[in-house]
Amino acid sequence: DAGVIQSPRHEVTEMGQEVTLRCKPISGHNSLFWYRQTMMRGLELLIYFNNNVPIDDSGMPEDRFSAKMPNASFSTLKIQPSEPRDSAVYFCASRAQANTGELFFGEGSRLTVL
Amino acid sequence: DQQVKQNSPSLSVQEGRISILNCDYTNSMFDYFLWYKKYPAEGPTFLISISSIKDKNEDGRFTVFLNKSAKHLSLHIVPSQPGDSAVYFCAASAVTGYALNFGKGTSLLVTP
Repeated sequence: DAGVIQSPRHEVTEMGQEVTLRCKPISGHNSLFWYRQTMMRGLELLIYFNNNVPIDDSGMPEDRFSAKMPNASFSTLKIQPSEPRDSAVYFCASRAQANTGELFFGEGSRLTVL
Repeated sequence: DQQVKQNSPSLSVQEGRISILNCDYTNSMFDYFLWYKKYPAEGPTFLISISSIKDKNEDGRFTVFLNKSAKHLSLHIVPSQPGDSAVYFCAASAVTGYALNFGKGTSLLVTP
């Protein structure tokens, strides 16, 4: 079975540019999560969706960040405009049930903003 | 504010010995705890979990211990193997919540 699929795996962009990260969750999973990993803060939750509906976006750093889940098999995380401090690895994860069980992570998208 | 804390950024252990990774949490509502393992350039993968109704859960070489009164859990790996070298994340969630709160991770190096 395919796991969580993220693209791109690596993205290098210049400050001010728009960045879009994509995620395809595991088929049949109801919940989708976006996490960001940095050395300073570790793995921090940005936003999560349940049945395509955003439940909690309190972890989204600023208005420059936005996330959508137009259907059960696709989600995007957009940063516009990007800044050097956004450089991090962004992980998408999905879970079969809403409030219990393990998360299955994608391989991550490493973003570098110059 | 970090609700899940892993105070040791790194740990080095000899092959065959026991590795003990520690984790503390502050939210008394947490009732489900997990450990994830992460290799470089890969996503975290689930290792083992424990519910708050238990104080120990074992899976092969991996055992997780939970001390609710101290709000502390630990992961024991016995015997440690070089392939166990990775970053280990502790995570927790509350019964009414959806998301996992992660610690910053502990990098384990198992030397031959």
